[in-house]
Amino acid sequence: QVQLQESGPGLVKPSQTLSLTCTVSGGSISSGSYYWSWIRQPAGKGLEWIGRIHTSGRTDYNLSFNSRVTISVDTAKNQFSLNLNSMTAADTAVYYCARGDFYVDFQHWGQGTLVTVSS
Amino acid sequence: DIVMTQSPDSLAVSLGERATINCKSSQSVFLTSNNKNYLAWFQQKPGQPPKVVIYWASTRESGVPDRFSGSGSGTDFTLTISSLQAEDVAVYYCQQYYSLPLTFGGGTKVEIK
Repeated sequence: QVQLQESGPGLVKPSQTLSLTCTVSGGSISSGSYYWSWIRQPAGKGLEWIGRIHTSGRTDYNLSFNSRVTISVDTAKNQFSLNLNSMTAADTAVYYCARGDFYVDFQHWGQGTLVTVSS
Repeated sequence: DIVMTQSPDSLAVSLGERATINCKSSQSVFLTSNNKNYLAWFQQKPGQPPKVVIYWASTRESGVPDRFSGSGSGTDFTLTISSLQAEDVAVYYCQQYYSLPLTFGGGTKVEIK
């Protein structure tokens, strides 16, 4: 059973870049045909898809993030990462990583990590 | 972007009674080439990540009780819990995966009356 775990700073200053990592266990991130996504959820609010990277290396991003986002994979560490720059208070949220495939985008989820943007 | 609109925002149902959640997409999420609706339902309990309940609009994820069912096609979808149990208290989200960006509904909170 694949498991995902997010890690990164819990506090980021405004205008800085957020860097989060999702460590995958129970399977190789480079095998199969999967989508590895980042999703966020502000406290008490709904879910917002940020972007994803496919096993092939192709990336798709939510254009509402205005090119602030980059998702990459480190196959040696079995991890994928999110970089989100120019952070503001509006980016304060729980950030989740997830794995999906052709029939459901978010079948396996990490537990989420809270990121607060504050000076 | 495809906008997903859920109703109601919340509902309270007695134990053992039926709960019905609606989801409407701003454009069709049905793909004629494979006859599938690209619509999933998620359940999120407090302090937990969401969990997929239904995909392809009506296919139950493995391990999900058969009291959960999904229906609908095109732009109008429904998640039904036929006999509400205490463990079903959660927020439910619909999500379309027909086109990018992937989008979610605003959520429906299900409580016990």
